[in-house]
Amino acid sequence: DAGVIQSPRHEVTEMGQEVTLRCKPISGHNSLFWYRQTMMRGLELLIYFNNNVPIDDSGMPEDRFSAKMPNASFSTLKIQPSEPRDSAVYFCASSPQGGNQPQHFGDGTRLSIL
Amino acid sequence: GESVGLHLPTLSVQEGDNSIINCAYSNSASDYFIWYKQESGKGPQFIIDIRSNMDKRQGQRVTVLLNKTVKHLSLQIAATQPGDSAVYFCAENIGGGTSYGKLTFGQGTILTVHP
Repeated sequence: DAGVIQSPRHEVTEMGQEVTLRCKPISGHNSLFWYRQTMMRGLELLIYFNNNVPIDDSGMPEDRFSAKMPNASFSTLKIQPSEPRDSAVYFCASSPQGGNQPQHFGDGTRLSIL
Repeated sequence: GESVGLHLPTLSVQEGDNSIINCAYSNSASDYFIWYKQESGKGPQFIIDIRSNMDKRQGQRVTVLLNKTVKHLSLQIAATQPGDSAVYFCAENIGGGTSYGKLTFGQGTILTVHP
């Protein structure tokens, strides 16, 4: 079975550019989570969706960050404009309906803003 | 200026030894706990979970122990192998069935297995 699929795996771009990260959750999973991981802060939850609806975006660092989930099989995380401090590994995870279920992670997008 | 990063706990063991990784969780209302393994360049991988109505659960070479009295979780790995070298995270679910699966993660422990 396919796991969570993220693209691109690596992205290098100059500051000021728009960055779009993509995620395809596991089919049938109702919750989708976006995380950021850095050496400084560890793993941080940015935003999560349930049934395509954003539930909690309190972890989104600034208005430069936005996320959408237009349908059950696709989500995007956009940074516009990007800054060097946005450099991190961004993970997407999904889980089945209801609590008490493990989240399953993609292999992340390593983002470098020059 | 000097950059300061997270100082993760580390555990070094010899191949074949048993490993115990510990985690103190924050919320006495948490009712679901998970251990993840993260290898370099990969996302966290689910290892084993436990609900708060249990105090022990066993998997293949792994055992999770839960002590709700002191809010402590541990992961035991039997006959540790070099392939077990990774960062291990504990995570807790505070909201139960209404939380939509939101997890709070610990900082992680680096496990290094020497051949």
